[in-house]
Amino acid sequence: EVQLVESGGGLVQPGESLRLSCAASGFTFSNSWMNWVRQAPGKGLEWVANIKRDGSEKNYVDSVKGRFTISRDNAENSLYLQMNNLRAEDTAVYYCATDGPGPFDDWGQGTLVTVSS
Amino acid sequence: DIHMTQSPSSLSASVGDRVTITCRASQGISSYLAWFQQKPGKAPKSLIYAASRLQSGVPSKFSGSGSGTDFTLTISSLQPEDFATYYCQQYHSYPRTFGQGTKLEIK
Repeated sequence: EVQLVESGGGLVQPGESLRLSCAASGFTFSNSWMNWVRQAPGKGLEWVANIKRDGSEKNYVDSVKGRFTISRDNAENSLYLQMNNLRAEDTAVYYCATDGPGPFDDWGQGTLVTVSS
Repeated sequence: DIHMTQSPSSLSASVGDRVTITCRASQGISSYLAWFQQKPGKAPKSLIYAASRLQSGVPSKFSGSGSGTDFTLTISSLQPEDFATYYCQQYHSYPRTFGQGTKLEIK
C-alpha cells in the first residue's frame, strides 16, 4: 500500500523559510515522478512543482519560481520542498503526490503552512 | 497556461441520480485529462486519467470521456459517499492546471 506522509508545516512570518518533507513507502520511490500540490483554505487545488525520478528535471508554477526548490533523496525515499521568502498567499495545505499511470495517483494527508505576521 | 473551466460550479442531486460534470480546456490537450474527488478535510483521490481510464479500485459508476478541449465526468446511481467536490486537471503541458471544482451536494 502506497503511503505518503508530509511533515514540516507550521506558522511562519512573511519572508521566512520552511522545509517540507514527504516520506514515501509501499512503492518504488525512485521509479516515480513526484509532485507538490497545494490548496489554500476554502479554495481549489494548485500544482506547485514536480521532479523527475532521478532528480534531473524539475518544474514549477510561475508563482513559486525562484523561491521554492523541490528535491528528493531516493536512498531515503523522501521528497522535499524548500520554501523561501514565504508570502501570505503561500498559506495552504501542501500535499505530496505520486505520478503513476496518471498524474497524482496517490496523495499524502497534507501539511498546513500558514504565513502570517 | 492552459485554463480549465468546469461546469457547473455546484450541483444538487438526489441519491440514485445520474450526473454529468463538464470540463473545458482553453486549448487542446489531447486526452491528458484527469479527474479527482475530494471530500471535506481529506486529500483528493484520483478517479480517472487519460480522460477515460479508471484508476484501480474506482467503481465503474464513474466514467470519463472526451478529447481535445471538451471532457465529461459521469457518475451513475449516486450514493451518499459520492457527494463531494470534483476537479478536472490537465497534464498536457506545464504548469499542470486544475479546474475550479464542482461541488456535488445532496438535494
